[in-house]
Amino acid sequence: EIVLTQSPATLSLSPGERVTLSCRASQSVSRYLAWYQQKPGQAPRLLIYDASNRATGIPARFSGSGSGTDFTLTISSLEPEDFAIYYCQQRITSPPGYTFGLGTKLEIK
Amino acid sequence: QLQLQESGPGLVKPSETLSLTCTVSGGSIRRSNYYWGWIRQPPGKGLEWIGSIYYSGSTYYNPSLKSRVTISVDTSKNQFSLNLSSVTAADAAAYYCARDTSSVVGYAFDVWGQGTTVSVSS
Repeated sequence: EIVLTQSPATLSLSPGERVTLSCRASQSVSRYLAWYQQKPGQAPRLLIYDASNRATGIPARFSGSGSGTDFTLTISSLEPEDFAIYYCQQRITSPPGYTFGLGTKLEIK
Repeated sequence: QLQLQESGPGLVKPSETLSLTCTVSGGSIRRSNYYWGWIRQPPGKGLEWIGSIYYSGSTYYNPSLKSRVTISVDTSKNQFSLNLSSVTAADAAAYYCARDTSSVVGYAFDVWGQGTTVSVSS
């Protein structure tokens, strides 16, 4: 079973700062890695798919990179609305399916 | 634009079957090339994929839930449904339906319903 580990669990930052979130897979997942943002009481929102492709309507300040086992989500300059929980998600090939990381909570400092 | 809406009982008794339906509007399940999936989130915890279905009825499930899960599709109603049998307190969660992009581009869930909360109690 491939496990996704997100770090850190919580991050306290201020608006305007740059942040990089990490997601590490226990085995290679190629580039099949997605990132989501979830705010309290809301459904997750897809930000990035295939490691580095922004989903429709996602601002350019969000970017993803990585392949194999190490992936990052970068927010170039935090806006007040960016404080939320961020999840990474991988595709499993055998058997086919998906798993999610436990999330990184981004909170206002 | 495409919208998904979950519906079903908010309370299920232990050992009974949880049944939810997702209604898709703004697009046709049958005429799309997408899979359609269910994801859940226990209170204060992370996300767990339950399973996905294609309009043809082809499914794939989370191995940890496979023995208790059935996902079906009704293209005439533009709906897909989740049945989870023999529920316990551990199945209490927010349940989301979402569009699964695996058959088109990427492997992700790009459109989500707002979610419905299911409690398990006698």
